[in-house]
Amino acid sequence: KAGVTQTPRYLIKTRGQQVTLSCSPISGHRSVSWYQQTPGQGLQFLFEYFSETQRNKGNFPGRFSGRQFSNSRSEMNVSTLELGDSALYLCASSPEEGGCIQYFGAGTRLSVL
Amino acid sequence: AQSVTQPDIHITVSEGASLELRCNYSYGATPYLFWYVQSPGQGLQLLLKYFSGDTLVQGIKGFEAEFKRSQSSFNLRKPSVHWSDAAEYFCAVGVTGGGNKLTFGTGTQLKVEL
Repeated sequence: KAGVTQTPRYLIKTRGQQVTLSCSPISGHRSVSWYQQTPGQGLQFLFEYFSETQRNKGNFPGRFSGRQFSNSRSEMNVSTLELGDSALYLCASSPEEGGCIQYFGAGTRLSVL
Repeated sequence: AQSVTQPDIHITVSEGASLELRCNYSYGATPYLFWYVQSPGQGLQLLLKYFSGDTLVQGIKGFEAEFKRSQSSFNLRKPSVHWSDAAEYFCAVGVTGGGNKLTFGTGTQLKVEL
């Protein structure tokens, strides 16, 4: 099976712009979670989608949003980008409704200038 | 809320030496426990997981971890480290009934001296 695929791998944006990141989960996985990784804050949970519904949400401002499509693919959107949004954004998919076993993609490196 | 502490930010070991990376968690019940490894510029690879049962779990690449409820710990071990093990290691906790949300520790950067 193919792994979790995230596109694009790298992005450069300027402050105030918005960005959309894409994640294709492992085939058959219905849960997709997003994490932000920065040197200062480490790995932080953004949100989880299961069967097109947001099931969990972390402590991030409303500028961070996501959605999941019927084929389980997910997108994450960040509006009005700030310098502090520069990070590695990781997507993970899970084969179960719970159990927390997650398989991660290689991430999207976002740089905000 | 659950939390994870990895007290060692950096660890250096010689190739062939044994390794132990520490992880302590805070949670009211028995959580799901995980160790992940991350190479530079890459995502996270699952090394092993603990849900219940035998407290010593085996993972990939020769790693093992032991769950100690009395110490709220889940330390990662490897008897003989290889140069290719140099990477960052993350301990994570998930909770029952909480969907698939993981709380991660701050990570331990492992350097292997040849």
